[in-house]
Amino acid sequence: DSGVTQTPKHLITATGQRVTLRCSPRSGDLSVYWYQQSLDQGLQFLIHYYNGEERAKGNILERFSAQQFPDLHSELNLSSLELGDSALYFCASSARGQGLNTQYFGPGTRLTVL
Amino acid sequence: GNSVTQMEGPVTLSEEAFLTINCTYTATGYPSLFWYVQYPGEGLQLLLKATKADDKGSNKGFEATYRKETTSFHLEKGSVQVSDSAVYFCALSGGGSQGNLIFGKGTKLSVKP
Repeated sequence: DSGVTQTPKHLITATGQRVTLRCSPRSGDLSVYWYQQSLDQGLQFLIHYYNGEERAKGNILERFSAQQFPDLHSELNLSSLELGDSALYFCASSARGQGLNTQYFGPGTRLTVL
Repeated sequence: GNSVTQMEGPVTLSEEAFLTINCTYTATGYPSLFWYVQYPGEGLQLLLKATKADDKGSNKGFEATYRKETTSFHLEKGSVQVSDSAVYFCALSGGGSQGNLIFGKGTKLSVKP
């Protein structure tokens, strides 16, 4: 158990809909990262938050957004969903935002868009 | 930009065989290097890491050495077990505040008894 929790575990929805994925980092960790894992793209970095502020963006679509709240949990919002958004979404946390810090991954949310 | 290339799988070995999974990287600055493992139906777990050249990361019998001259971080294990069957990902993170991980495509390992 990494100490990172993600909800829900599974999500099935229809095209055009909007969903919210939730992540609680390990106790004391200030950084939250979001990644998408799909068969064709592999594991891709989406966005990084550190202590409530956006730190870096990766291959995140404009239809996707995220935020980190004062209690340090984070939410990833996916809107106008398309079939191609079906994937595993992981969040990871680390103590700080530096490259040498280990990232601890949650169990993931499997999103299926029908 | 930064990237990671790892050998494509799947790799199938018999129990107690020697394992090598090749990983090379392209990066500016001084990245940290990682191996993560993903067991079926689970998230990623850190297997080992190295944060500077010539560092050797090791865990659970797995080892990898950060080779700056060959830009490599190959994963090795002397004697694999059935329980090592999983997907292995090589990853790097940039220096300084660039903490996000860049992953290779993953190598699926199957170990037969």
